[in-house]
Amino acid sequence: AIRMTQSPSSFSASTGDRVTITCRASQGISSYLAWYQQKPGKAPKLLIYAASTLQSGVPSRFSGSGSGTDFTLTISCLQSEDFATYYCQQYYSYPGTFGQGTKVEIK
Amino acid sequence: EVQLVESGGGLVKPGGSLRLSCAASGFTFSSYSMNWVRQAPGKGLEWVSSISSSSSYIYYADSVKGRFTISRDNAKNSLYLQMNSLRAEDTAVYYCARDPTTVTNSWVWYFDLWGRGTLVTVSS
Repeated sequence: AIRMTQSPSSFSASTGDRVTITCRASQGISSYLAWYQQKPGKAPKLLIYAASTLQSGVPSRFSGSGSGTDFTLTISCLQSEDFATYYCQQYYSYPGTFGQGTKVEIK
Repeated sequence: EVQLVESGGGLVKPGGSLRLSCAASGFTFSSYSMNWVRQAPGKGLEWVSSISSSSSYIYYADSVKGRFTISRDNAKNSLYLQMNSLRAEDTAVYYCARDPTTVTNSWVWYFDLWGRGTLVTVSS
């Protein structure tokens, strides 16, 4: 199975910061990568698919990039509602595996 | 409103059984492949099982194969997960999740719509 590794596991940031989360696949997955946001007690929400395509309704401050094995999720100007845990997921090979998550906390 | 609502979770003893349900509304349920994904307390996300739009294709994670059964009733816009021989390690929030493709009996294997989840606790 393809292993997905996110870094960092958690970090603190302030409102207005530009933040970047990294996801690395154990083998090449082309652009078959999705990003999700999850807030405590809530369901995950799809943010990005195909590595860089923004899901409908997701604010443009979120962006994704990368292909092959290395991917990034960037939030250009962190808002209060963005403090959450973010997961990457590869869907290059069935059934799709998730990273362990990156928690973004308030500094 | 487009939504998925899970139900049926609860406390069950090891070796016991539970049946989860997921009610879909606001979209043509019969056009989409559906999935169950779980999250153990404080842990990450784990795919559990998938069923194609017409139930022609079904898949399970190795960790639940032979114990869990996924099914759906398109007339009732509902997805189910029958869980037998439950173990402590099955304790998790179980989410119902939609695959975004509407190609019959197909998947893209990411999830564009999730329910709020139902908690299953396996403990004596």
